[in-house]
Amino acid sequence: NAGVTQTPKFRILKIGQSMTLQCTQDMNHNYMYWYRQDPGMGLKLIYYSVGAGITDKGEVPNGYNVSRSTTEDFPLRLELAAPSQTSVYFCASSYPGQGKSGNTIYFGEGSWLTVV
Amino acid sequence: GENVEQHPSTLSVQEGDSAVIKCTYSDSASNYFPWYKQELGKGPQLIIDIRSNVGEKKDQRIAVTLNKTAKHFSLHITETQPEDSAVYFCADNQGAQKLVFGQGTRLTINP
Repeated sequence: NAGVTQTPKFRILKIGQSMTLQCTQDMNHNYMYWYRQDPGMGLKLIYYSVGAGITDKGEVPNGYNVSRSTTEDFPLRLELAAPSQTSVYFCASSYPGQGKSGNTIYFGEGSWLTVV
Repeated sequence: GENVEQHPSTLSVQEGDSAVIKCTYSDSASNYFPWYKQELGKGPQLIIDIRSNVGEKKDQRIAVTLNKTAKHFSLHITETQPEDSAVYFCADNQGAQKLVFGQGTRLTINP
């Protein structure tokens, strides 16, 4: 299993541009998430999805959109990029359950985004 | 909303000594408390977790303790080694397996 795969790893955007961060997981997890991590800070939840066709806002959703057309993929769309969106973005996935791995959230390697 | 406070923000210990990181939470309904380790340039990785029905859990050199009455939980690393140097995050499960993270602790192990 590759786990959670994010692309691109690094990207520089100009103010006002748009882009999509891709995320795919091969663990057949129902739940998927997007977090952002600002320098020296913890992770904040942008959007999450409990299954294909279902998405919900997290703590900091403004300026972002998501879709979940398949179990495997959960892309994050940035519209009209702003300097405040300069951050490291992490996609993650998990499956519900009380077993040994239940509730464990698996993170991708991160995508470094700079808006100039 | 739920708030998770983590202390200290930085911690430096001599190799072989113990390290302790503490977190407090506000929602008394919280029932799952994971700890993540993040190495430079990597995503966070789960290292240990505890559910609200137990007070302590150990896994080799790491342990987590939970005090539900005081609403705090702690990560203990014994016999620290250079590879323990990383940023550690505590978290609290907010339902639908959404995690609220602490601010992180940068742990440095000095040889």
